[in-house]
Amino acid sequence: DAGVTQSPTHLIKTRGQHVTLRCSPISGHKSVSWYQQVLGQGPQFIFQYYEKEERGRGNFPDRFSARQFPNYSSELNVNALLLGDSALYLCASSLSVIHGNYGYTFGSGTRLTVV
Amino acid sequence: DQQVKQNSPSLSVQEGRISILNCDYTNSMFDYFLWYKKYPAEGPTFLISISSIKDKNEDGRFTVFLNKSAKHLSLHIVPSQPGDSAVYFCASSSKRSGDKLTFGTGTRLAVRP
Repeated sequence: DAGVTQSPTHLIKTRGQHVTLRCSPISGHKSVSWYQQVLGQGPQFIFQYYEKEERGRGNFPDRFSARQFPNYSSELNVNALLLGDSALYLCASSLSVIHGNYGYTFGSGTRLTVV
Repeated sequence: DQQVKQNSPSLSVQEGRISILNCDYTNSMFDYFLWYKKYPAEGPTFLISISSIKDKNEDGRFTVFLNKSAKHLSLHIVPSQPGDSAVYFCASSSKRSGDKLTFGTGTRLAVRP
């Protein structure tokens, strides 16, 4: 069974551009969360989606947006890229959003470099 | 405001000995604590967790201890193996924040053969 797949694996963009990152959860998982990991830091929560609805949003500017599709895959969009957006973007999927459900499975991430 | 802190960026341990990784938190609303392991070019992998109603949870070579009064938890790995060399993240969640995880900055463990 395939794990969480993210695409692309690496990406280089120029300041001011827009980027779309994609995530396919494990089959049967209905919840997808996005995290940003800047070099030397731990992952920071960006969004959580469950059953195509936003269930949580972290402390990120409105340039960051996301959505979940009927097949539970998800996209993370970042507009007007800044150098500080350079990071590893991680997607995690889980069966549900029950508190204490630590059954997160993370993908390998998309490494975004903004130049 | 760093609510979860891992003050040791790195740790080096001899194979066969005990590795102790530490984590401090400030938010008393956290009620689940987790440890993740991360190898380069891979996503974090869940290792072990503990509920705030417990003070110890054990799974094979891995034991997590929670001291609520000190807002401190630790991960013990015994015996340490070279394959344990990775970055370890402590993470916390609270019922109020749903499934959102708050991570520490990580500790890089190197187990020397």
